Amino acid sequence: AQTVTQSQPEMSVQEAETVTLSCTYDTSESDYYLFWYKQPPSRQMILVIRQEAYKQQNATENRFSVNFQKAAKSFSLKISDSQLGDAAMYFCAFIPGTYKYIFGTGTRLKVLA
Amino acid sequence: DSGVTQTPKHLITATGQRVTLRCSPRSGDLSVYWYQQSLDQGLQFLIQYYNGEERAKGNILERFSAQQFPDLHSELNLSSLELGDSALYFCASSGTGLLSEQYFGPGTRLTVT
Repeated sequence: AQTVTQSQPEMSVQEAETVTLSCTYDTSESDYYLFWYKQPPSRQMILVIRQEAYKQQNATENRFSVNFQKAAKSFSLKISDSQLGDAAMYFCAFIPGTYKYIFGTGTRLKVLA
Repeated sequence: DSGVTQTPKHLITATGQRVTLRCSPRSGDLSVYWYQQSLDQGLQFLIQYYNGEERAKGNILERFSAQQFPDLHSELNLSSLELGDSALYFCASSGTGLLSEQYFGPGTRLTVT
């Protein structure tokens, strides 16, 4: 079965510092897509960043970047220059060719002033 | 505002009852997804429709059903409700393609008493 694991239920980071959230997945497919979504206290789900498995280059969106290690089936999210507004639940999602989206259980990020 | 609307925002009902949740996708989006998020849990993918046709089915109970209408709005029907069905139900919409960003609605909070 395809699974997504976020092993860090909660993380804390000082404002302006860098934090990395981990995500691993299990699949036998070679082509798939990976996403990170953010869910602030408002509960609204917001896309942070996305990555196509066949692309070697790691995706970057402003202060957010990923470290995609396909062989290790790892897709970690790095947040640089953390801001108070980054405090939220972060979900890693894996999308295989079957369109059956699989989300991890989330990591709650706290940003300390 | 994601452009996806969901009604109602809150719903309180008793065990054994049936409810219908409604979702209107963003203008132009053909795909609609339904997710269930139980308290402090990740998202469970329930079902996806594309232009009126079921495209993918996840962990959706037999007591649950959905459809997408010609005007592309979608409804999720939950019947024989149990206490464990209490959750936040999200609808999302997207364009075509697995890499397309999903735009999430604000969710419907269902409480079964």
